[in-house]
Amino acid sequence: GNSVTQMEGPVTLSEEAFLTINCTYTATGYPSLFWYVQYPGEGLQLLLKATKADDKGSNKGFEATYRKETTSFHLEKGSVQVSDSAVYFCALSVLYSGGGADGLTFGKGTHLIIQP
Amino acid sequence: DGGITQSPKYLFRKEGQNVTLSCEQNLNHDAMYWYRQDPGQGLRLIYYSQIVNDFQKGDIAEGYSVSREKKESFPLTVTSAQKNPTAFYLCASSIELVRNQPQHFGDGTRLSIL
Repeated sequence: GNSVTQMEGPVTLSEEAFLTINCTYTATGYPSLFWYVQYPGEGLQLLLKATKADDKGSNKGFEATYRKETTSFHLEKGSVQVSDSAVYFCALSVLYSGGGADGLTFGKGTHLIIQP
Repeated sequence: DGGITQSPKYLFRKEGQNVTLSCEQNLNHDAMYWYRQDPGQGLRLIYYSQIVNDFQKGDIAEGYSVSREKKESFPLTVTSAQKNPTAFYLCASSIELVRNQPQHFGDGTRLSIL
């Protein structure tokens, strides 16, 4: 089956620190990969995505590269801000050989806390 | 603005009672989804629908039911058969049911047992 593994949180950093949140996956088809962010009491917002190997998704200073050889999609940001405090979810969606797809498979989420 | 509206924001259920969570979208998306979020568990797929009058079970469909009579609406009923319904429920939609389409999420409904 499909699965996503994220590093356990909470991750606590100081403002302007470098951020890496690890994400690895297993998939039976051809996955697209996503990072979503969830602020307290809200739904999820798409942060970035990559649909094929070696693609780099980027948004709001965050980046992640689709690495097929290591089945990874690590999220990085060079200098975090207090406003980046949230829960981050790595997710995948798979295209099956028959052309069908279904919902996203999510990791358990990583709670990021940025201190001033 | 286009988006997904979930209601109510908070919902309380008595033992043995069915409750229905509303999800409406005005994005003109064909595909819609329901997820359940538990602390430390991430999100798990309950049901999804590719098109009107069609829906499929996800990973944890037992104790839940859905309907898709209109393109913009995908209500979820939590039945009395769901023994542990306390969770945060998220509805989502996407342009179509293909792997590279991002999903747009509502703000969720928090269900609790009285």
